[in-house]
Amino acid sequence: NAGVTQTPKFQVLKTGQSMTLQCAQDMNHEYMSWYRQDPGMGLRLIHYSVGAGITDQGEVPNGYNVSRSTTEDFPLRLLSAAPSQTSVYFCASSLSRVNYGYTFGSGTRLTVV
Amino acid sequence: GQQVMQIPQYQHVQEGEDFTTYCNSSTTLSNIQWYKQRPGGHPVFLIQLVKSGEVKKQKRLTFQFGEAKKNSSLHITATQTTDVGTYFCAGRGTTDSWGKFQFGAGTQVVVTP
Repeated sequence: NAGVTQTPKFQVLKTGQSMTLQCAQDMNHEYMSWYRQDPGMGLRLIHYSVGAGITDQGEVPNGYNVSRSTTEDFPLRLLSAAPSQTSVYFCASSLSRVNYGYTFGSGTRLTVV
Repeated sequence: GQQVMQIPQYQHVQEGEDFTTYCNSSTTLSNIQWYKQRPGGHPVFLIQLVKSGEVKKQKRLTFQFGEAKKNSSLHITATQTTDVGTYFCAGRGTTDSWGKFQFGAGTQVVVTP
């Protein structure tokens, strides 16, 4: 099993550009989430999905879109990049079971100039 | 809305000493998870607590969930250099789905040999 795979690992965007961060998991996990991590602020939930076709907003959804057409994939779209979106983005997946936590991908470091 | 706060933000520990990091929620939680993130890495799941007053141990790490299910703690005994990293708690409110865990800002642990 590859676990949670995120691509790309690094990305530089110009203000106003759009892009998609890819996330795929091969563990048949029903739950998937996107977090952003900024210094001193921990991980903040952007969007999450409880299964294929079902998504919902987290704490900081503005400027981002998601879709979940399959169980495996959960892409995050930046509609019009802004410098405030410079961050490290983590995708994570889980099953809703006791003693089962989220498995995180290795992250995408995004810089918007 | 729900807020999860962690203290302290930073913890400098001499190798061999004990320390405790605390997690406090503004609302009652269904469950709480703990994660560790090494410098430059991604969060890794450590444990989940579900029951009021629950205590779980993993070698030198002791996790506790408060009686009111609004706070939690992580106690590390005989700190080693391998304990370096940031420890996060993540709480889920009683009306939130499994996808909606809110992370604290983390406790960054530095160990002095």
